[in-house]
Formats: sequence, structure tokens, C-alpha cells
Amino acid sequence: KAGVTQTPRYLIKTRGQQVTLSCSPISGHRSVSWYQQTPGQGLQFLFEYFSETQRNKGNFPGRFSGRQFSNSRSEMNVSTLELGDSALYLCASSLDRFSSGTNEQFFGPGTRLTVL
Amino acid sequence: KNQVEQSPQSLIILEGKNCTLQCNYTVSPFSNLRWYKQDTGRGPVSLTIMTFSENTKSNGRYTATLDADTKQSSLHITASQLSDSASYICVVSASVTGFQKLVFGTGTRLLVSP
Repeated sequence: KAGVTQTPRYLIKTRGQQVTLSCSPISGHRSVSWYQQTPGQGLQFLFEYFSETQRNKGNFPGRFSGRQFSNSRSEMNVSTLELGDSALYLCASSLDRFSSGTNEQFFGPGTRLTVL
Repeated sequence: KNQVEQSPQSLIILEGKNCTLQCNYTVSPFSNLRWYKQDTGRGPVSLTIMTFSENTKSNGRYTATLDADTKQSSLHITASQLSDSASYICVVSASVTGFQKLVFGTGTRLLVSP
């Protein structure tokens, strides 16, 4: 079974631009969560999508948004990029809603975003 | 305030030796605690998930313990191997009105030296 895939793996943008990252979950998984990881802050939860609906949200500004499609694939969008948005963005999938129990989460390799 | 603190921040041990990583939390109400291993340049991989009633859980050479009274967890690595070199992240979930709030530690970076 293929794992979680994320595209692109690396991305360089400039301040003020917007970016869209893509995540394909493990086949059969219906929940997709997004995380931001930086050296200073560590892993921070962005949001979780399940059945095309956002089910849980972290403390990030509205510039960060996402969506999930009927095939469970998910996209994350960051508008008006700032230097501080440079980070590794990780996507994780689970069979059921991750935030509702002890469901195991499987992470993708991440997208390394650099904002210049 | 919900917090997860991990210690040490970094650790170097010789191959074949054992080590223990610590995780202290103030997350409430507690739902579960997870340990992840993250290799450089890769996404985290789940090692263990522990609920309130579980004191210990093993996954091969990795053994996690949980003391819900003192709000402490540890991850013990036995007979370390070079491939154990990675960051280990402790994540505690608080159950909040039907969903879970995740609180992440900043991780312990382990280097196993030959």
C-alpha cells in the first residue's frame, strides 16, 4: 500500500505570494491533518479534514486554509506569504477522525517551503 | 496552560547502550500520549499511543511508560542502533468538547555514535 504523498517536496516563494500544497492520503484513509514544523516552534497543528469538512483547527491566522476533495485528497493554501511561513509542512492521514480518539496517524515526507 | 516539555533537548550515546527520554506535561483533560520518531528530512513515525489506563507499552526495542498521576512519560530505547539517530517527539492530546487538542513537545534529538 502506498504511503502518504505530498507535492511538491520543495518550494521557494517570495513574500506576498500565495502557495498551494497537495497531499494524497493512504488509500482508504478519510482523515487528513496538516502540520507546520519549524526549528524554533517544533510541530504545530494546522487543521484536520474529514469527509470534506474541517473538523479541528489550530491557532493559525486565516491566511492558512485548506480543503479536502471527495477522494480524500487535500490541499493547503497559504496566502500573502511572510518570511515566518518558511517551514516544513507535513500532512498526515488516518482511517478515521484523528482528533476523536487513538487512531494512528501516518505522515508524509513533507513540503519544505522557503519564503524569500 | 497546556504544555509538553521534553528532556534532554539532545543526547549522544554509544551504539549498543540504552537511553531514556523524558516527557512532562500539564495538558488537561488528558486523553492520550504519543511518541513519534522523526528521521532527518522525513515525516514522523508513530512509536506508541498510550491512554490514561496504560502504564507501559512496547514496540520492539522501544518501551514507553506513563504515570498519569505525576503527568510524566518516558521512552526507553534498549541496545541502541545507529538507525535510532533521530528526533523523538512527545504529543499529548486533551479531550475538548468532542475533539482533541494536540500539544506537541519540541523533541529530543538523539545521536547514536559508533
